[in-house]
Amino acid sequence: AQKVTQAQTEISVVEKEDVTLDCVYETRDTTYYLFWYKQPPSGELVFLIRRNSFDEQNEISGRYSWNFQKSTSSFNFTITASQVVDSAVYFCALSETNDYKLSFGAGTTVTVRA
Amino acid sequence: NAGVTQTPKFQVLKTGQSMTLQCAQDMNHEYMSWYRQDPGMGLRLIHYSVGAGITDQGEVPNGYNVSRSTTEDFPLRLLSAAPSQTSVYFCASRGQWGREAFFGQGTRLTVV
Repeated sequence: AQKVTQAQTEISVVEKEDVTLDCVYETRDTTYYLFWYKQPPSGELVFLIRRNSFDEQNEISGRYSWNFQKSTSSFNFTITASQVVDSAVYFCALSETNDYKLSFGAGTTVTVRA
Repeated sequence: NAGVTQTPKFQVLKTGQSMTLQCAQDMNHEYMSWYRQDPGMGLRLIHYSVGAGITDQGEVPNGYNVSRSTTEDFPLRLLSAAPSQTSVYFCASRGQWGREAFFGQGTRLTVV
């Protein structure tokens, strides 16, 4: 059975600090996809990134970066120079081979203080 | 394109009442699903469908019913609302298994 663990429940930082969100997953499949979603205070779910299990390259998009390590079954997310607008709940999710279901972690609430 | 349209946005029900949450997508996605979001538990799958006429149970299906008569629509029915069903509900659609899911705006449901 697939499982996603986000051990950090809440993180509070001051603006311009970096923040790293941990995501650890479990799966028996060799082919799978990992995702990150952002849920701002307005409540909608915003897709941030997907990564397939064969692509371990780190990715950077502006102030966001992702570190995928199959050896530790982790897909961590870093926000560099955080801003108040980054305050949100962030979810990590997993989808296994030919399975349309997404398994979500419990989410990490990030609060960025001015 | 509207994407995934979910209604209503807010709803208050009395215990024992029934209601239907509507979900429609215009992306011709075969896969649609319903999740509920509760504090500290992430999103949990209620029911899903891989195409018109095909539905299946997810992780927390009790107390909910679904049907899929068209590709576009996937309503969620609460048969007899209970306070334990107080939650935020999200409908999602997905075109391919490796692609991201698109979510509706969410419905905040309170059962009193």
